[in-house]
Amino acid sequence: EVQLVESGGGLVQPGGSLRLSCAASGFTFSSYWMHWVRQGPGKGLVWVSRISSDGSSTNYADSVRGRFTISRDNAKSTLYLQMNSLRADDTALYYCARVPSPAATVDYWGQGTLVTVSS
Amino acid sequence: EIVLTQSPGTLSLSPGERATLSCRASQSVSNNYLAWYQQKPGQAPRLLIYGASSRATGIPDRLSGSGSGTDFTLTISRLEPEDFAVYYCHQYGSAPRTFGQGTNVEIK
Repeated sequence: EVQLVESGGGLVQPGGSLRLSCAASGFTFSSYWMHWVRQGPGKGLVWVSRISSDGSSTNYADSVRGRFTISRDNAKSTLYLQMNSLRADDTALYYCARVPSPAATVDYWGQGTLVTVSS
Repeated sequence: EIVLTQSPGTLSLSPGERATLSCRASQSVSNNYLAWYQQKPGQAPRLLIYGASSRATGIPDRLSGSGSGTDFTLTISRLEPEDFAVYYCHQYGSAPRTFGQGTNVEIK
């Protein structure tokens, strides 16, 4: 069974940092591109970032470029999102998501980890 | 960036009725790479349709997707109790990937 389990969320002050993790199991993690998608409180879904299966290629939404860094450790089957210079509008539930190929859509999502940016 | 506009915002229907959800793109969706997701409260989204009209694994045939270019539709032929949820369209053909704002299908 495919499982994606996010962790690392919490309350952080504006300007602070957090690192999210997503532990994958039930599939060959190193064969899949992985994405982060977020959802603000009571709001819709917003794509954040993606990383290639081998970690050599990354892309970011304009709103997070330069502040967030996506990475992965295929030996540990874990995806990461390092978030720096956090702002109030980064407050959201952050989902990690699996994509079968670069041109495909997300087929599995984790349950999400909540990030709250507030003083 | 491709903007996806979903209509209506809320659809109030009874079980057994037909639901028709619309998703309009601000420009043509490359290769008709348009997906539909269902989300229930407190749950992650679930993939229903990809490539505009292909059903994902395990999705019943009462759900169907259609359309091309800039206009896409998700149809639920007969609503079951488990179909009442929020539905999002999503284009993955152009960067950045974008989502519609959602249609809430609620029990009338």
